[in-house]
Amino acid sequence: AQSVTQPDIHITVSEGASLELRCNYSYGATPYLFWYVQSPGQGLQLLLKYFSGDTLVQGIKGFEAEFKRSQSSFNLRKPSVHWSDAAEYFCAVGSNTGNQFYFGTGTSLTVIP
Amino acid sequence: GAGVSQSPRYKVTKRGQDVTLRCDPISSHATLYWYQQALGQGPEFLTYFNYEAQPDKSGLPSDRFSAERPEGSISTLTIQRTEQRDSAMYRCASSSGLAGGQETQYFGPGTRLLVL
Repeated sequence: AQSVTQPDIHITVSEGASLELRCNYSYGATPYLFWYVQSPGQGLQLLLKYFSGDTLVQGIKGFEAEFKRSQSSFNLRKPSVHWSDAAEYFCAVGSNTGNQFYFGTGTSLTVIP
Repeated sequence: GAGVSQSPRYKVTKRGQDVTLRCDPISSHATLYWYQQALGQGPEFLTYFNYEAQPDKSGLPSDRFSAERPEGSISTLTIQRTEQRDSAMYRCASSSGLAGGQETQYFGPGTRLLVL
């Protein structure tokens, strides 16, 4: 069965520091991978996605993610975190046989001055 | 519309009552999804529509849950005989195409349901 694991429930980083949020997936075929961000009171917003090709994908707000098939991972990174990045981040896998999407449990990011 | 809207934003109901949640997707978006998000969890797929067709209901927790999209635009999710375990955020999303798992979804703000 498809699944997505985000091992870190909560992460705290200092403003200006680098960030890496972990995501591991379990999927039989080549997955469609997504990162979404959820700010308080808002809907989820797409940061970036990977389907095929270059394994390093760039997204909005300075985020990037790298697909590593050997590790079944799709970690999200940002070189320098801003206070406005504080939010909940969700990794998701899209099925290639239908319209199902499977989300991780999310990582809550706190940014301290 | 400019984005996905959902109503009501908050709903408090008593156990055993029926509730209906509404989703207004982005205009002309072909696909509409419903998710249930419990506190501290990620969204869990409930069902989706391609226009008015509903190819997959596999995520609906029980037959108390039903959804419709009769004209291929606005959708409603109805929960009959609500139970306390139905308390959650219900999220709607839409996408422009029919490409399945490749689609970028645009999410609404959600409806927070509390069953007392």
